[in-house]
Order: sequence, then structure tokens, then C-alpha cells
Amino acid sequence: GQNIDQPTEMTATEGAIVQINCTYQTSGFNGLFWYQQHAGEAPTFLSYNVLDGLEEKGRFSSFLSRSKGYSYLLLKELQMKDSASYLCAVRSGYSTLTFGKGTMLLVSP
Amino acid sequence: DTGVSQDPRHKITKRGQNVTFRCDPISEHNRLYWYRQTLGQGPEFLTYFQNEAQLEKSRLLSDRFSAERPKGSFSTLEIQRTEQGDSAMYLCASSSPGQFSGNTIYFGEGSWLTVV
Repeated sequence: GQNIDQPTEMTATEGAIVQINCTYQTSGFNGLFWYQQHAGEAPTFLSYNVLDGLEEKGRFSSFLSRSKGYSYLLLKELQMKDSASYLCAVRSGYSTLTFGKGTMLLVSP
Repeated sequence: DTGVSQDPRHKITKRGQNVTFRCDPISEHNRLYWYRQTLGQGPEFLTYFQNEAQLEKSRLLSDRFSAERPKGSFSTLEIQRTEQGDSAMYLCASSSPGQFSGNTIYFGEGSWLTVV
């Protein structure tokens, strides 16, 4: 089976930087995804990593270490609209995505 | 709008009734997924189609749940004899093999089910 762990909640201040960690255990690793989900809405795709290293996309970056079973999502220059749940998801083989429970991020003024 | 669309967006039903949700994937996507999500949890996988073939089903998908994708385009998810524990958001998603972003799954807006 698969096991995905991420913190339940995090708080940060507008304009700051926040790092959301995700650890996973899986066989046949074939990619790690980050999604953002605002309350009552569907998840929206943020980033994808399949090789070790950092992927940067504007204010968001995602890092992967396959040997450590570890990823993080880095959000810079936080804005109030970044308050949302951030979901870490892992693909095993050619199967579907398995999601963690999500990290609720609250950005305060 | 060329995203994944779901219908209805909200459904309230009495316990014991049957409900059906419809999903129209992104037009060039041949893979279609159903997930279920409850408050404070991440999406849980239910089932997956490639074209019209149902390739994978979760153990979460009891005998009361059935999904179809008859022509490899839209899909339906039917829940028979609904129970209060079925109350959740039902998410449909689609993807296409060979995309640069590793077969990224794109979600629809979800169908909220409340069983009373």
C-alpha cells in the first residue's frame, strides 16, 4: 500500500515564505503531484516532480528526493488568496494518484 | 469552457434512493477517474477508465456503486440505495497519456451529495 504524510495545518503571514512538507512510502514510484484546493472547490494542479530536484513555477516551487521519500512545496510572497488546502499525491506505477489528507494553510495579514 | 464538467453540482436525496452523476472529461483525454472526498480528507480513489474499459476499482466501491463509460467519452456514477455515509463530494477527473506533465489529472468542480 501507500502512505502519505503531511502536516494538518500551517499558518503564515502575507508576504512571507512557507514550506509544506510531504513524506511518502510507496512501491513503483512514478511521480509526485501537488494540488491546491480552496474550500468547496475542486483540486487544481500546481506541480509535478518525477526526478530529484527543484521545479520552479512562478511563486511556487516543488522539490523531490526519491531516496528519502520526501517532497516539499515552497510558496513565496504569500498572498491572502493562497489560503487553501494543499494536497500531496503520489502515483505508483501506471496507477492512479493516491492523495494525502492535505495541509490547510492560513495566510494572515 | 473545455475543462472537466460534472452534473449535477449538488444533490440532496433521501436515504434509500438512487442517484446518478455525470462527468464529461476534457475532450482529448482518454482516461477518466472518479474520486470521493469528505471534509478534512484528501480525495479517495474510486475507479478509473481508459477509453470505455474500467481498468481499476477501489475496495471503497461497494456493490451499491457502479460506474460506466459506454462510448469512451462521458461517464456516469450511480449509487443505489444511498446511505448517510455516502454524503461526500464526488470528483471526476481526466488525463491523457503522453502529456509533458506526466499524465496530470485534471479535476472537475465536483458533485456534492447529501443523503438525509
